[in-house]
Amino acid sequence: EDQVTQSPEALRLQEGESSSLNCSYTVSGLRGLFWYRQDPGKGPEFLFTLYSAGEEKEKERLKATLTKKESFLHITAPKPEDSATYLCAVQAGAGGGNKLTFGTGTQLKVEL
Amino acid sequence: DTAVSQTPKYLVTQMGNDKSIKCEQNLGHDTMYWYKQDSKKFLKIMFSYNNKELIINETVPNRFSPKSPDKAHLNLHINSLELGDSAVYFCASSLGERLYTDTQYFGPGTRLTVL
Repeated sequence: EDQVTQSPEALRLQEGESSSLNCSYTVSGLRGLFWYRQDPGKGPEFLFTLYSAGEEKEKERLKATLTKKESFLHITAPKPEDSATYLCAVQAGAGGGNKLTFGTGTQLKVEL
Repeated sequence: DTAVSQTPKYLVTQMGNDKSIKCEQNLGHDTMYWYKQDSKKFLKIMFSYNNKELIINETVPNRFSPKSPDKAHLNLHINSLELGDSAVYFCASSLGERLYTDTQYFGPGTRLTVL
């Protein structure tokens, strides 16, 4: 069974204090790894898709990287508006449709 | 314009009742999904439809019945509601199951509370 584990569960940063969130996974045949951001009371908002080890993607202060076992979401000089829960999900296997298996998320709070 | 919309946003009901949640997407996508997010914020897929055809049906009680009248709509009907059904239900859509990997876009969620 596909498994996704995210760490830490919660992270508190000062504004400008860079850090990384981890997503480790065990799947049979990774098709894609997704990062989403979820604000309280809202649905997950798509950030990135990574398809193969070594791939990197950037968007503003966020950079996602992928290895064969884990993905990192690096946050550079975060601002309070980056506060949210960050969810990692994988799509795996040759069949079974396009279901996403999610981790439990990292709740990030960025303080002034 | 809202890409994936759900109604209602909040639903409070008594145990044993039957209720429906509606989902609509205006993205022209072929595939739609229902996810359940529990109190610990864990998101788990329930169903997926591609062009009105059921393609994913996870281990979900048969009290839950999805219905897709057309590819832009996927409704979720729940019979005989139980306390454990209380959760946030998210609808999502993606371009098509025919693609090898496919980004899913989520609706705002429906918070169901069963008393």
